[in-house]
Amino acid sequence: EDKVVQSPLSLVVHEGDTVTLNCSYEVTNFRSLLWYKQEKKAPTFLFMLTSSGIEKKSGRLSSILDKKELFSILNITATQTGDSAVYLCAVGPGTYKYIFGTGTRLKVLA
Amino acid sequence: GAVVSQHPSWVICKSGTSVKIECRSLDFQATTMFWYRQFPKQSLMLMATSNEGSKATYEQGVEKDKFLINHASLTLSTLTVTSAHPEDSSFYICSANGEGGASSYNEQFFGPGTRLTVL
Repeated sequence: EDKVVQSPLSLVVHEGDTVTLNCSYEVTNFRSLLWYKQEKKAPTFLFMLTSSGIEKKSGRLSSILDKKELFSILNITATQTGDSAVYLCAVGPGTYKYIFGTGTRLKVLA
Repeated sequence: GAVVSQHPSWVICKSGTSVKIECRSLDFQATTMFWYRQFPKQSLMLMATSNEGSKATYEQGVEKDKFLINHASLTLSTLTVTSAHPEDSSFYICSANGEGGASSYNEQFFGPGTRLTVL
């Protein structure tokens, strides 16, 4: 059965800290891995990863994929209170269909 | 990025009634749309995949006669929750991807979601 597991489930840090969120997966056919940030409403897209070892970067956020070990990490440096959200990882085993992990709930304290 | 809208944003209905939720891609043609359900503090669970002009593909455990999906055009998919009950109360989110326009291959764009409360 295809599955996506995220860790930790929940995380509380102080502003300025660096956090690393993990996503491991087992899928029959891997196509891509997506990271999303979800605040109060629908998720917003962060990154799409398809190749191992190539870091994607956007401001203080970065992500990398390891297709051999079947995981990805999302790093957030110099965290801010606005980074507080649920971070979702989704893996696509087939055409357009994605399976979501349960998410990591991040809270950044001022 | 591409824009997906949902209507309504929030609906409260009585048990036994039916509720229709619309999902529209505003600046691109969505050959495929997805319907997800999200319970509080849980992740997104895919309910069904909706392809324009054909029947939807439902995930295991999702009743197709209860959750009717119609993808009549390349920019509109609807989800109708028939004979809604309190246990159907949830956050329903659609997403879309397609070819061309502002949508890039393999990237899903999510609507803002519809919160359904069944009394």
